[in-house]
Amino acid sequence: GENVEQHPSTLSVQEGDSAVIKCTYSDSASNYFPWYKQELGKRPQLIIDIRSNVGEKKDQRIAVTLNKTAKHFSLHITETQPEDSAVYFCAAISGFQKLVFGTGTRLLVSP
Amino acid sequence: NAGVTQTPKFQVLKTGQSMTLQCAQDMNHEYMSWYRQDPGMGLRLIHYSVGAGITDQGEVPNGYNVSRSTTEDFPLRLLSAAPSQTSVYFCASSYQAASGSGANVLTFGAGSRLTVL
Repeated sequence: GENVEQHPSTLSVQEGDSAVIKCTYSDSASNYFPWYKQELGKRPQLIIDIRSNVGEKKDQRIAVTLNKTAKHFSLHITETQPEDSAVYFCAAISGFQKLVFGTGTRLLVSP
Repeated sequence: NAGVTQTPKFQVLKTGQSMTLQCAQDMNHEYMSWYRQDPGMGLRLIHYSVGAGITDQGEVPNGYNVSRSTTEDFPLRLLSAAPSQTSVYFCASSYQAASGSGANVLTFGAGSRLTVL
């Protein structure tokens, strides 16, 4: 089955800096890669996703890139703000509706 | 439109007790799933369902049962609770994001924090 690895586990940046979180996946048949943000005590919420027929997708300050050959995808957050502080999860879909998550990255943005 | 509703929000059990975590969605989503979240381990899939009457196992199904008698409801049953089942449980539902793509967007419930003593 699918295996998703996520790095780093924690990331501290200064407000205004960029943050990059990287994930690798094992199943070359995976075709959908979402990113979820979870604030403390809250439920995970989708922030951006990318499908395997696209190499990059942007939404304001966040972007996701996908390298199918290398089987890795990354989340990029520019001009970070304190409200970006949260745990971020990457995921990949394996088989029929089985979304497999990475272990999460705790992002701390200091003012 | 309430989205995905989970009950209870908090529960404390003794080892060996059984209980059911309830999950209901009002979005007419075909797909529903249960995840558990433990520190440092992300979200792990317990069971999932692609429609009423159809269920399948995820990564960590042992000790849990599910059923899907209606599109709206997907309860998770703990048969004999163990301390290793102390966790936060999330129910999620999803729709087909685009025709033929096989992709889904998960909507999560607020979570149920379970402690087994």
